[in-house]
Amino acid sequence: DQQVKQNSPSLSVQEGRISILNCDYTNSMFDYFLWYKKYPAEGPTFLISISSIKDKNEDGRFTVFLNKSAKHLSLHIVPSQPGDSAVYFCAASAAGQAGTALIFGKGTTLSVSS
Amino acid sequence: EAEVAQSPRYKITEKSQAVAFWCDPISGHATLYWYRQILGQGPELLVQFQDESVVDDSQLPKDRFSAERLKGVDSTLKIQPAELGDSAMYLCASSLDGTGVNEQYFGPGTRLTVT
Repeated sequence: DQQVKQNSPSLSVQEGRISILNCDYTNSMFDYFLWYKKYPAEGPTFLISISSIKDKNEDGRFTVFLNKSAKHLSLHIVPSQPGDSAVYFCAASAAGQAGTALIFGKGTTLSVSS
Repeated sequence: EAEVAQSPRYKITEKSQAVAFWCDPISGHATLYWYRQILGQGPELLVQFQDESVVDDSQLPKDRFSAERLKGVDSTLKIQPAELGDSAMYLCASSLDGTGVNEQYFGPGTRLTVT
């Protein structure tokens, strides 16, 4: 049973517009959430994170929103650029628990066209 | 900028052969993770080390997989014998301290193909 779900395998956006990537989770013990970006033949690169005590975190063009009651988070990229084209993974961890491995979703492939 | 190093980047082996992957985490990072990523899926944890001790190896197929981090720095993941289903990307990650909230930094991975 998947604890972290990214239900959209792909998303296509025009350059300059907003990209919204969504993620749902089922484990109420998760208290830390991260987004990673992955290019082909490379390892995932950390983008942005959010603790469960917050509902929003912003870093430049990237903003992550967390809705704990809905067990839902989203990543907004504004404005989108062609270099943002990659696979985006949502990940979660229960930082207060023993072992802090990340649980990943299956990823969403973002394509930004110029 | 400090990076997680992994080698080899690519490995092709025949089934029933032995393979080994190496990882050197970011200097000073106490926690080291090995993940496996199958195409179309997200990474899944195989084993987690805190310094030289195993914290979690519950998802490691111990009949064929082994991992060690003898001096608490670099680590080796071994598969013997390799099976066709082991074809995947093997990712190493490290974090400063696995007891708190710390981002994990990933290496470039080793792409394993078993024929």
